[in-house]
Amino acid sequence: DVKVTQSSRYLVKRTGEKVFLECVQDMDHENMFWYRQDPGLGLRLIYFSYDVKMKEKGDIPEGYSVSREKKERFSLILESASTNQTSMYLCASSHPSGPQPLHFGNGTRLTVT
Amino acid sequence: DQQVKQNSPSLSVQEGRISILNCDYTNSMFDYFLWYKKYPAEGPTFLISISSIKDKNEDGRFTVFLNKSAKHLSLHIVPSQPGDSAVYFCAASATGTYKYIFGTGTRLKVLA
Repeated sequence: DVKVTQSSRYLVKRTGEKVFLECVQDMDHENMFWYRQDPGLGLRLIYFSYDVKMKEKGDIPEGYSVSREKKERFSLILESASTNQTSMYLCASSHPSGPQPLHFGNGTRLTVT
Repeated sequence: DQQVKQNSPSLSVQEGRISILNCDYTNSMFDYFLWYKKYPAEGPTFLISISSIKDKNEDGRFTVFLNKSAKHLSLHIVPSQPGDSAVYFCAASATGTYKYIFGTGTRLKVLA
């Protein structure tokens, strides 16, 4: 079974802080994704990566950056956290050949105060 | 512009009856569709998928139907169980892209 692990289940940060959300997958997947989930808005794609050091913006990249130095790890960075970034953040991975389903981690509930 | 729409935010069904969750899409390039189930404080779990070359796919109690001409898909759960109570998301992607577009979700409540 694919395992996608997000380092924190809950985080509370202050406005203006730099925040790192970490994600690790154990299935050697090339593709990795960061989504955020908000009530009434579903899951919205922030960034994705299809290979080490490769990244592409999703639908809502403003205020975020990402890092993929190793195949198994994909980090989401909030450069200067703001209250409108309070959300559930979900990391996912998938195999590149396909179509293939996404495999999600358990999410990080981030609160910015 | 919402390319994948789930117009029913919530649905209640009696245990043992059929649950039907609906999803509409606008992009005719979408050719792969998925359904996910999500419990609170957990990540979405993949349930079932369908490729555009099919119009039906079954897996146990779950069946997905695809109507390409209407740009509509539905998930049928038969029989519904209380453990099925969750938020269900549909998602779509197009060949050659890495992006999966999700709907806004439908909260299903199965009443015992």
